[in-house]
This record gives sequence, C-alpha cells and structure tokens, in this order.
Amino acid sequence: DGGITQSPKYLFRKEGQNVTLSCEQNLNHDAMYWYRQDPGQGLRLIYYSQIVNDFQKGDIAEGYSVSREKKESFPLTVTSAQKNPTAFYLCASSNTYRANTEAFFGQGTRLTVV
Amino acid sequence: GENVEQHPSTLSVQEGDSAVIKCTYSDSASNYFPWYKQELGKGPQLIIDIRSNVGEKKDQRIAVTLNKTAKHFSLHITETQPEDSAVYFCAAFSGSARQLTFGSGTQLTVLP
Repeated sequence: DGGITQSPKYLFRKEGQNVTLSCEQNLNHDAMYWYRQDPGQGLRLIYYSQIVNDFQKGDIAEGYSVSREKKESFPLTVTSAQKNPTAFYLCASSNTYRANTEAFFGQGTRLTVV
Repeated sequence: GENVEQHPSTLSVQEGDSAVIKCTYSDSASNYFPWYKQELGKGPQLIIDIRSNVGEKKDQRIAVTLNKTAKHFSLHITETQPEDSAVYFCAAFSGSARQLTFGSGTQLTVLP
C-alpha cells in the first residue's frame, strides 16, 4: 500500500533531551512537511522540503531541525531548545510540481515531555 | 504570506440538518483549496478540493463553493450523520509560496 508512515505513535521525552520523529513516504512525492498541532488548535508549519537536500523554515521552526537526505524520508528532531514541545506532530507529503497538489498526512506522533 | 481564516470554530447540528463552514484567504495567487476531516487522534484526510478555475464542486453529501473575487470558499455538508462529527480544516495552496496554509479548524458535532 502506498502511503505516509510516522513513527513512533507515542513518544515521551525528558526535559533537556533531543528526540527524532520519523516520517517515511512511498508515494514518490517531491514535497514533505512537518506540522505541529496543539489541543483545539489548527496546524502550524514547522519545516518543509520541496526537494532532496533542501528545506525551508515554516512559521514555528525555532527549536526544531530537519534533514532531507532521501526523497522518501524527512525526519524531525525536537531539540532541547524547544521550550514547549508537548504536542501532536503531523507529517505530510505532496507533489507540488504537478497539477494535483493534494497533501497526504501520516497518522501523527504524540510527543509528551515528562 | 497566505493567511486563512475559518469560521465557526465549533458547530453543532441535529442529525439530518445541513452544516456550513466558511473560510477566507488573503493571497490572490492561491489556486487550490482542499478540505480535510480529522478524527480524534488521527491525521487529517482529504474529503474534497476545488481549484481556482471552478466555482463549485459536489461529491454526494459534500459540496464546496469558491468565490475568487471575494477570496472565500465554503464547505457544505447536507443530511448530516453522527459519523460526520470531527474537526474540519480548510486550506489554501499558494502557487508562489508552494505550500499549504491551514485554517484553525471547526469542531463539528452532529447530535442524534
């Protein structure tokens, strides 16, 4: 089945630790995105990448880092510099260079700081 | 950059009634407008979309309308059912920025 997979589904982090969230897609999409969702809130863009080895900051990039070494993978690292990391993180992908720009989402990773 | 506003933030309707959610956008270069449904604890799923060269699109009980001049688009759900209860997000894709900007979401509750 083609799709976008996020892991793990739940993640617990101690204060001061870095953690990495995984996002893999087999849809052959060029673009990948990371969003943060807080309870009762909309989706805020953290980082996005339109091509391998290139990525841009979104609206709330501070305290996060990404890499795009492969087309299929776009991991997100939540660093200790992110002061309020507890949230639901969503990864998405799309073919922005084609007529159909539908974005497909993963099932999310819920990160909790303990 | 693009700014998308969505109203209302919460909406309760009786089963069988219609529900309407409205969004406005700011970037006149935006050309693609999807609507997503998000169930609790899951990722959003696309339910319908519309492109800037079309004014209306319908898929069974769901329809979307777009007014490019006024920069607003709306989601219409008819004959609502309890399984329609979820959070709905609108979004606008800017061709210049090449990214989706989402509205803040609407919690729809369909009362049996």
